[in-house]
Amino acid sequence: GNSVTQMEGPVTLSEEAFLTINCTYTATGYPSLFWYVQYPGEGLQLLLKATKADDKGSNKGFEATYRKETTSFHLEKGSVQVSDSAVYFCALSRDDYKLSFGAGTTVTVRA
Amino acid sequence: DAGVTQSPTHLIKTRGQQVTLRCSPKSGHDTVSWYQQALGQGPQFIFQYYEEEERQRGNFPDRFSGHQFPNYSSELNVNALLLGDSALYLCASSLGTVRETQYFGPGTRLLVL
Repeated sequence: GNSVTQMEGPVTLSEEAFLTINCTYTATGYPSLFWYVQYPGEGLQLLLKATKADDKGSNKGFEATYRKETTSFHLEKGSVQVSDSAVYFCALSRDDYKLSFGAGTTVTVRA
Repeated sequence: DAGVTQSPTHLIKTRGQQVTLRCSPKSGHDTVSWYQQALGQGPQFIFQYYEEEERQRGNFPDRFSGHQFPNYSSELNVNALLLGDSALYLCASSLGTVRETQYFGPGTRLLVL
């Protein structure tokens, strides 16, 4: 079946450090790939997405590139801020109806 | 413009009871999906409603049922509650398919004792 495996956390960084969260997927065909973020006490928010191979999604300084050859969609940000502290979820959709999520990676950024 | 709203925010039930959770989608959205998020896990798809019909269902037993009303709001019902049903239940709305942005509500936290 379709599944997502993402880097286990928690991850703790200092402000202005570089962040990478690894995400790999298993799916047939060409799924759409997503990163969602969940800030403390809030619902999930779409951070970025990519719908075909080699697409790069970007938002709020975060980027991820859809790599079909390595079945990966790693999330990166060059300089994190305290406000980036959250839980990050990688997800895929093989059909147009449901999202399959990874287990989430908790990121804490210290001032 | 209000986003996705869910009620109640928290709920405590005992084993064997039944519960109903409610969701109002973002204005203009016609599709509602429900997810279960256990502590420390990613959300798991329960089902999706479109035009008042269940369009797709995840791997959840028949104890989980739902409904969508003509105004696109939705309910999730869970019968014969088990301890393992304790989780955060998330509602997401979109216009059409998942490839359009899904907007999530803050969730209802259910505790089954």
